[in-house]
Amino acid sequence: DAKTTQPPSMDCAEGRAANLPCNHSTISGNEYVYWYRQIHSQGPQYIIHGLKNNETNEMASLIITEDRKSSTLILPHATLRDTAVYYCIVSAGNTPLVFGKGTRLSVIA
Amino acid sequence: DAGVIQSPRHEVTEMGQEVTLRCKPISGHDYLFWYRQTMMRGLELLIYFNNNVPIDDSGMPEDRFSAKMPNASFSTLKIQPSEPRDSAVYFCASRLTGNSYEQYFGPGTRLTVT
Repeated sequence: DAKTTQPPSMDCAEGRAANLPCNHSTISGNEYVYWYRQIHSQGPQYIIHGLKNNETNEMASLIITEDRKSSTLILPHATLRDTAVYYCIVSAGNTPLVFGKGTRLSVIA
Repeated sequence: DAGVIQSPRHEVTEMGQEVTLRCKPISGHDYLFWYRQTMMRGLELLIYFNNNVPIDDSGMPEDRFSAKMPNASFSTLKIQPSEPRDSAVYFCASRLTGNSYEQYFGPGTRLTVT
C-alpha cells in the first residue's frame, strides 16, 4: 500500500521546469522521501531523497514542506530524455521501497 | 562496476514449464530485492534478502514461486509451473546498508508465458 498520492500524468514543455507534486500526509518522523524514475522498459533509477530539508543534486531539486506532508520534485530544465514515470516513495532507512503508480511525465518539444 | 546483472533479458516459455531468472547484485551490496512489474499491478515487491537470508517473502504470489540466494553474488527466482498470468517484467535490485537511499535496479527480465 503506497503511502503517497501523485497525479497520474503531467505534461511539460522542453526547456521549462517540471514540478512534480507528491502528497504524503501520513509520513512518520523517521521516514525519508525518495524520488525514482523509470524510463520506458528500464529499471527504476534513483533521483534524490530528503528527510526535512530541501535538497539539490545534479539531476533535480526536492522541496519538502515544513510539516513534511507534501513535497515537490523539480527538474529545472526538462528535456525529452526526462520523459518517464516518476515515483515518490516514503520509507524508513532500512525498509524496502514500495512503489505506487507514479506520475507519467511527458516532455513535449 | 557493471551494475546489477540479470539473465536472461527475455524469456518465452509455455505454460507448465519451469522458469529460472537469475540476478547478480553489485559487489559488496548486502540487500537484494526481487520485484515484478505488470500494467495492471505496477511494480510489486516479491521478496528481499539481507546477507543472503530471506527477510520478507510476503509478496510472493503463491507456492509456485521460490527464491534463493546461495551466496552474496547470486540469486534466483524460480516459477514452477509457470502460468500465463506470470507474464511480466521481473526486476532485481541491490542496496548497501548505510547507503540505504539508493536501490540499484537491473535491466529486468521480460517473461512471456504462452
